[in-house]
Amino acid sequence: GAVVSQHPSWVICKSGTSVKIECRSLDFQATTMFWYRQFPKQSLMLMATSNEGSKATYEQGVEKDKFLINHASLTLSTLTVTSAHPEDSSFYICSARLRLGNYEQYFGPGTRLTVT
Amino acid sequence: AQSVAQPEDQVNVAEGNPLTVKCTYSVSGNPYLFWYVQYPNRGLQFLLKYITGDNLVKGSYGFEAEFNKSQTSFHLKKPSALVSDSALYFCAVIKGSKGGKLIFGQGTELSVKP
Repeated sequence: GAVVSQHPSWVICKSGTSVKIECRSLDFQATTMFWYRQFPKQSLMLMATSNEGSKATYEQGVEKDKFLINHASLTLSTLTVTSAHPEDSSFYICSARLRLGNYEQYFGPGTRLTVT
Repeated sequence: AQSVAQPEDQVNVAEGNPLTVKCTYSVSGNPYLFWYVQYPNRGLQFLLKYITGDNLVKGSYGFEAEFNKSQTSFHLKKPSALVSDSALYFCAVIKGSKGGKLIFGQGTELSVKP
């Protein structure tokens, strides 16, 4: 149980275009989802916390207009990278938490974004 | 402020030898501590956690970790390393309440040679 999927697993896009990444909890309802960014052989950097039905909370230094997060249902959160640039190329990982007050986070397999 | 430190960027071990990946933490209150493993181009896989109870925690794939409150450490161990254990390992702590954010260490790359 507690499986989280991400789609796509990898994507290549041209500079200036937007790309959407989906994060789904497959067998549970997630009140909270988290989006992380990871550079090669580095740690995960939390970008934002997404709660179902409300606006995402962004970490300091993360541009909310560039990284649009939508958590429209209890099983789906999306991250849209708008007007992507090569410096946005990275590995994006989401995680989902079952409910408020629960410490367990379940991680998706990640999405490799390359902006050319 | 809550934080986690993994003092070694890389650990090299011969197959069959015991391995240790170090982690120290700094938290206020009782820590919720986790170990995750990441294989290349993959997400994080949960290995084990310490919330309360026995200081020695057993997890997946033969790994275990010992919570040491006096040394504020939570080192990951395995009695006999496998080549397939080669991966990136992250220690993490929950920040704030148990429903709070995960704070990750910088990661340790484990390399197990035949």
